Amino acid sequence: DTAVSQTPKYLVTQMGNDKSIKCEQNLGHDTMYWYKQDSKKFLKIMFSYNNKELIINETVPNRFSPKSPDKAHLNLHINSLELGDSAVYFCASSLDRGRRRLEELSDTQYFGPGTRLTVL
Amino acid sequence: AQSVAQPEDQVNVAEGNPLTVKCTYSVSGNPYLFWYVQYPNRGLQFLLKYITGDNLVKGSYGFEAEFNKSQTSFHLKKPSALVSDSALYFCAVRDGPASGGSYIPTFGRGTSLIVHP
Repeated sequence: DTAVSQTPKYLVTQMGNDKSIKCEQNLGHDTMYWYKQDSKKFLKIMFSYNNKELIINETVPNRFSPKSPDKAHLNLHINSLELGDSAVYFCASSLDRGRRRLEELSDTQYFGPGTRLTVL
Repeated sequence: AQSVAQPEDQVNVAEGNPLTVKCTYSVSGNPYLFWYVQYPNRGLQFLLKYITGDNLVKGSYGFEAEFNKSQTSFHLKKPSALVSDSALYFCAVRDGPASGGSYIPTFGRGTSLIVHP
């Protein structure tokens, strides 16, 4: 009955490979996010979707492509993995029902346990 | 552009003593402010937030924070620290509505709180 779940928990792969990380929330929230936390614990938002629509798309290489098949899922696909992609990736969700404009988002975000990606 | 600073990488406090983790911010208009805690190998957990209203915000696990507009600060406090409070604490800020800002949440670098028995 985990609220925000991510799979896999750990991902070790070679440079140049393509990989996906899955995220699911069972909280009935409308908004989902992807964050990257680097080795120095610096946390930066990458993407956000509200009800399957992209509302935040930060300066992230286009090798990263989020996909939201429904509002309970937000997956992250990464092409041509590079060493610098090694990090912990966190998924999060917030209720923010019907808030399609970024400035309206204000509800509490609930984070998943993280996926530690290591690129060799 | 909005920014947030956590000036201390680490805070050490003895169990039972009061603790303060500092956060200052810069935004275009009125801020939305958040505190999160991260335990080792875990995701972030929400502690409290300031959107509007009372400047003193009470949150989870006995934590509270005071929004001080003149000092642009939102320091996290707890009257009596527990060893189990030892974790990494993140302050986050974003511009409030109609401020003309980016509205993308910005996180501080994190402050490691160590509570000694």
